[in-house]
Amino acid sequence: DGGITQSPKYLFRKEGQNVTLSCEQNLNHDAMYWYRQDPGQGLRLIYYSQIVNDFQKGDIAEGYSVSREKKESFPLTVTSAQKNPTAFYLCASGYTGVETEAFFGQGTRLTVV
Amino acid sequence: QKEVEQDPGPLSVPEGAIVSLNCTYSNSAFQYFMWYRQYSRKGPELLMYTYSSGNKEDGRFTAQVDKSSKYISLFIRDSQPSDSATYLCATFQGGSEKLVFGKGTKLTVNP
Repeated sequence: DGGITQSPKYLFRKEGQNVTLSCEQNLNHDAMYWYRQDPGQGLRLIYYSQIVNDFQKGDIAEGYSVSREKKESFPLTVTSAQKNPTAFYLCASGYTGVETEAFFGQGTRLTVV
Repeated sequence: QKEVEQDPGPLSVPEGAIVSLNCTYSNSAFQYFMWYRQYSRKGPELLMYTYSSGNKEDGRFTAQVDKSSKYISLFIRDSQPSDSATYLCATFQGGSEKLVFGKGTKLTVNP
């Protein structure tokens, strides 16, 4: 089945630790996105990538890093520099060149303990 | 000014009511608009998309774009309790692949 897979579904992290969230898609999409969702805040864009080995900062990139070494994969690292990392993280993908819809994974809920 | 503004609600209606969900956008260059539905603790799912102006209908759902007023709407007819969710509008920032969202409107349909 084609789709976007985020793992893990739930993640716990100790303060001061880096953690990496996985996002894989087999839809042959060029564009991939990472969003953070907090109650009452909607979806805020962290990073996005339109092509392999290239990515752009979104609105709240501080404390996060990404890589795009493969078309199918766009992992997000939440670093210890992120002051308030507890949130619901969503990955999405879509085609580029023609504005079109994006599809989401089921999300990873990160909790700092 | 945010690219997309959406009234967060919450909105509560009785079963069978017609629901109107609305967003405004800031840039007249935006042409492609999407509506997503998100159930609690799940990823958003694409509900409908429209291009430029006009209406698009899919079953009980109608998406409408008014470019003159920079207003996008989603209408739900004969609303059902299963429609209870958060609805998000989205568009691509003009000239880029940056996909931006409204804050979402939480809808509850009461049986």
